[in-house]
Amino acid sequence: NAGVTQTPKFQVLKTGQSMTLQCAQDMNHNSMYWYRQDPGMGLRLIYYSASEGTTDKGEVPNGYNVSRLNKREFSLRLESAAPSQTSVYFCASSGGSDTQYFGPGTRLTVL
Amino acid sequence: AQSVTQLGSHVSVSEGALVLLRCNYSSSVPPYLFWYVQYPNQGLQLLLKYTSAATLVKGINGFEAEFKKSETSFHLTKPSAHMSDAAEYFCAVTHGGTSGSRLTFGEGTQLTVNP
Repeated sequence: NAGVTQTPKFQVLKTGQSMTLQCAQDMNHNSMYWYRQDPGMGLRLIYYSASEGTTDKGEVPNGYNVSRLNKREFSLRLESAAPSQTSVYFCASSGGSDTQYFGPGTRLTVL
Repeated sequence: AQSVTQLGSHVSVSEGALVLLRCNYSSSVPPYLFWYVQYPNQGLQLLLKYTSAATLVKGINGFEAEFKKSETSFHLTKPSAHMSDAAEYFCAVTHGGTSGSRLTFGEGTQLTVNP
């Protein structure tokens, strides 16, 4: 079991560029999440998907879109990157136990 | 709305000393509470969780936490710190409900262990 995988691990963008962060889980979990981590602010929820076919906004959704492609995959898209989106992005998934399992993260820098 | 406050963004202890990381929560419904650990350049790993069973919860690597409803606290402890415990620790609470387990995180506490 790979658990939760994320690609890419690192990315540098210029302001205005777009990109998609990929996330996949092999634990047959229904729910998936995207967080961003900034120094001194903990993790903040961007979007989540409670089950295949549904997505909902979290605490900080502005500037992002998501797609729950199937039960395994949940992608996060930045349509026009801004320096304020420089952060570490984590994907997570959960089944029926409320425990979330996290991927290794993507470090994104927007210049 | 639910929230978590971690008291102390940085905690420093000597190897072999007691580790105490503080977490207070606010919740309008009975909470589920979690402690996660993050080692440098890695994702978050679950240390332990409270889900309304025993109030004293034991986790991995010798850590434990006690749920105290009267104090709205869920402090993390370890009797004897090891160098390998140096990491960032996050307390989190769920929103509950049926549409996924939305976690609200505290700001994190960086633990340093001195030789």
